[in-house]
Amino acid sequence: NAGVTQTPKFQVLKTGQSMTLQCAQDMNHEYMSWYRQDPGMGLRLIHYSVGAGITDQGEVPNGYNVSRSTTEDFPLRLLSAAPSQTSVYFCASSYSRGDQETQYFGPGTRLLVL
Amino acid sequence: AQSVTQLDSQVPVFEEAPVELRCNYSSSVSVYLFWYVQYPNQGLQLLLKYLSGSTLVKGINGFEAEFNKSQTSFHLRKPSVHISDTAEYFCAVSDLSGFPVKAAGNKLTFGGGTRVLVKP
Repeated sequence: NAGVTQTPKFQVLKTGQSMTLQCAQDMNHEYMSWYRQDPGMGLRLIHYSVGAGITDQGEVPNGYNVSRSTTEDFPLRLLSAAPSQTSVYFCASSYSRGDQETQYFGPGTRLLVL
Repeated sequence: AQSVTQLDSQVPVFEEAPVELRCNYSSSVSVYLFWYVQYPNQGLQLLLKYLSGSTLVKGINGFEAEFNKSQTSFHLRKPSVHISDTAEYFCAVSDLSGFPVKAAGNKLTFGGGTRVLVKP
C-alpha cells in the first residue's frame, strides 16, 4: 500500500490563479479530510468526506471546493488563490469500525500564493 | 463547538529526562482524544488515542496519556526522552455529535502544537 499520497509537494501560485491539490489513498478508507497547517494554529479542517459522493464543510471552508467521485480520490480546489491561502495542506484518510480506528496523514503540500 | 488548548508552545528538555505536554479541551459532548507527532518536514503520525475504556492510554515510542474527564485534560507523558523525540506534538479532539456519529478520526479539532526540543 502506498498509503495517502499528495501531489504536488510544493506549488507557487499568483493571486487569482486556480489549482487542484490531489489526494489519493489505496486503503479503501471511507473517510477523507483536508486540513491546513499554519504556524501556532495547529491544523484546521477545511472539508471532509464520509464516502463517495458525500462531502461537508469543516472549520475553514471558504475559498476551497471539494468533490469525492471515487473512494480513492479527494481533490481540493482553489478557484481563485489568495495570499491568505499560503499554508501547508494535509490530506488524511481514516477507517472506523466500533472502537477500531485507523488513520493516516499524507506528507503535505506546501502552497505559496504571491 | 469544541476547542483544544496546548498550554506550552515550546518545551526544552534534556535527554533521558521526563517530559509532560499539557492539553486541555472544551466540548459540550463526548469526545475522542488524540495525540499526534510531526517530525520536521513530515506529515502527522498518530501517537495514541482515547476512545473509551481505561483512562490511561499507552502509545508508540514509549508515550502515554491520561484522560481526565473532570479536568477535561489529556496530558501526554514520556518518562525518558531521546534526541529523536525532538518534534512538534499536537493534541486533537473529535466529537461524537452530528453526522456521521462514528467519524471520529475524520473531523479533528487541533491544538496549536507544542515543540519539544531534546538537548543532549
